[in-house]
Amino acid sequence: AQKVTQAQTEISVVEKEDVTLDCVYETRDTTYYLFWYKQPPSGELVFLIRRNSFDEQNEISGRYSWNFQKSTSSFNFTITASQVVDSAVYFCALGRGANNLFFGTGTRLTVIP
Amino acid sequence: DAGITQSPRYKITETGRQVTLMCHQTWSHSYMFWYRQDLGHGLRLIYYSAAADITDKGEVPDGYVVSRSKTENFPLTLESATRSQTSVYFCASSGLAGDDEQFFGPGTRLTVL
Repeated sequence: AQKVTQAQTEISVVEKEDVTLDCVYETRDTTYYLFWYKQPPSGELVFLIRRNSFDEQNEISGRYSWNFQKSTSSFNFTITASQVVDSAVYFCALGRGANNLFFGTGTRLTVIP
Repeated sequence: DAGITQSPRYKITETGRQVTLMCHQTWSHSYMFWYRQDLGHGLRLIYYSAAADITDKGEVPDGYVVSRSKTENFPLTLESATRSQTSVYFCASSGLAGDDEQFFGPGTRLTVL
């Protein structure tokens, strides 16, 4: 069975703090993809990153970084020096063949100025 | 306009009525998807399509019908709307590879009274 768990329902941080959003997944597939999407208050879904199961290198993009660890089935997302514009709901998703994306329930991040 | 659009953006209907939500993309993406977003559930896949005239069920297909006669359009029909179908519906599309990132439309907020 495919499953994505985002245990943190809501997180609040003060601006400029670092914050890590956790994502734990379950799959029996050897080939799969992991995604993060951002949903700002306006409601649209914005793609942030895709990582395939054979690439465990961490990725950094500006203030965003992702830590993929197959040993713990985790794909965590860190925002460094958070800003008010980072306030959003963040979804982790697991993709496999047949184009099925399984989403976690999301983590609502509030950055307090 | 380029991209992926959904119409209507907001819809209120009554129990038992038929409702069709429209989705149109201009990228000529092969794959298209319909999700519903409900509090506590994240996004759940309703139906997807790999190409024109090819559709398949997702996680929660009951009560919904789809068709895809043209690559760019992927309408979702609620044949007899129920209150449990009150939700935000997102259409998405992706390119040739099934595990490419999905690009989402702005969503349709549907209320069934």
